Parts: sequence; structure tokens; C-alpha cells
Amino acid sequence: GAGVSQSPRYKVAKRGQDVALRCDPISGHVSLFWYQQALGQGPEFLTYFQNEAQLDKSGLPSDRFFAERPEGSVSTLKIQRTQQEDSAVYLCASSRGLRGDSYEQYFGPGTRLTVT
Amino acid sequence: KNEVEQSPQNLTAQEGEFITINCSYSVGISALHWLQQHPGGGIVSLFMLSSGKKKHGRLIATINIQEKHSSLHITASHPRDSAVYICAVRRGYGGATNKLIFGTGTLLAVQP
Repeated sequence: GAGVSQSPRYKVAKRGQDVALRCDPISGHVSLFWYQQALGQGPEFLTYFQNEAQLDKSGLPSDRFFAERPEGSVSTLKIQRTQQEDSAVYLCASSRGLRGDSYEQYFGPGTRLTVT
Repeated sequence: KNEVEQSPQNLTAQEGEFITINCSYSVGISALHWLQQHPGGGIVSLFMLSSGKKKHGRLIATINIQEKHSSLHITASHPRDSAVYICAVRRGYGGATNKLIFGTGTLLAVQP
């Protein structure tokens, strides 16, 4: 079966532009996470969805960041008025359920965003 | 101080060597994950463990909950093992508490 996919894989934006990053989780996975990975660092949590509900957005660095998952499957992370410090790899992960072995998170390949 | 610390940050080994990467954490956890990330590639889960020891091929992961410490061992290392190895912890038992807190990773280079 297909894994988690993300698009685009690479995005170059000029400072001030808006960008939209897409994540297609594994079909049927309830939980979806977005993480941000700066160069040379470990990923950091941005936001979490359980089906279509955004239950935790505590990691979003500013109000320029917005995420949605309107039908409980595909998710979009939008960054408005991009800044150079937004340059990073944005990782999406999904997991099957909420308890037990269904905790395991499956990661997409990431979108590398470069803001010039 | 980061909640998850890894050592070493960089590791160079000769093919065939036994490798150990260490992870210490300072928070209560429900599970610990070891992940592998190749340059330009996505993240692959190697192990998820909450106690004891797990083995998969040449990889072994151990955890000591009382000491808040885990190790990842690679036996008979090979150049294809070259990657970043990341330790991550999960604090809770459901929903948003399943978010992972990551270490900064260990860059492993295995030379032929």
C-alpha cells in the first residue's frame, strides 16, 4: 500500500510569498502530525489532527502558520508571508489509531522549503 | 537543556565495527522511538519500545526506564548504515500526547 506522500518535495519561495504544503496520509489513518526540521536539527512538533479536528496547534511558531484537514484525510500546511527563518523541511506523519501499536507514526518524505 | 539528548552527535566507524548511539531523556514517557533518516530522504521508524530490548537484524535497541536512557546498537556495521539516527520520545497514551519529542540526531558515517 502507499505510504505517506507530500507535495511538493521542494519549494523555493521569495520572502513575503504564501506557500501551501500538502500531505496525503496513509488511507484510514486517524492521526496526522506536522513537524518542522531545521537544518542540522531534530524535527519539532507543529500541530496534530485527529480526523478533521485540530486538537493541538501549540507548536505553530506564529499566526502566519495555518493547517487544516477538512475531510479527515489530506492535510495542508499554509505559511503566509514567508520569512527566511521558515526555511526548513516540513514533515508529515500519520498513525493508524489512538492506542496500542497503532501509535506508530509513518513519515512522509518531507517538503524542503527554502525562502530567499 | 533539551528534553532528549543524544550522543555522540557525529560518529565515524570502519565497516564491521560495533556501533552504539546513546539517548537520554528528562521527562516521563510512554514509549521511545529510534528513527533513521537518510540525506534528502524521509524518516523510517526502526524501533518503538517502552521496556527491555528489541532486535531486528543487525540492530538492537535497549531502554532503561529507571535511568531514562536508551541505546541503539549496530553490529557488523556496513556503509549502507550511514544515516542520521534520531531518538524520539512519546509522552502520552493517546491523541495529541502521541506527538514525538526528538533528539538532534547522530550522524553516522561507516567507511568501507
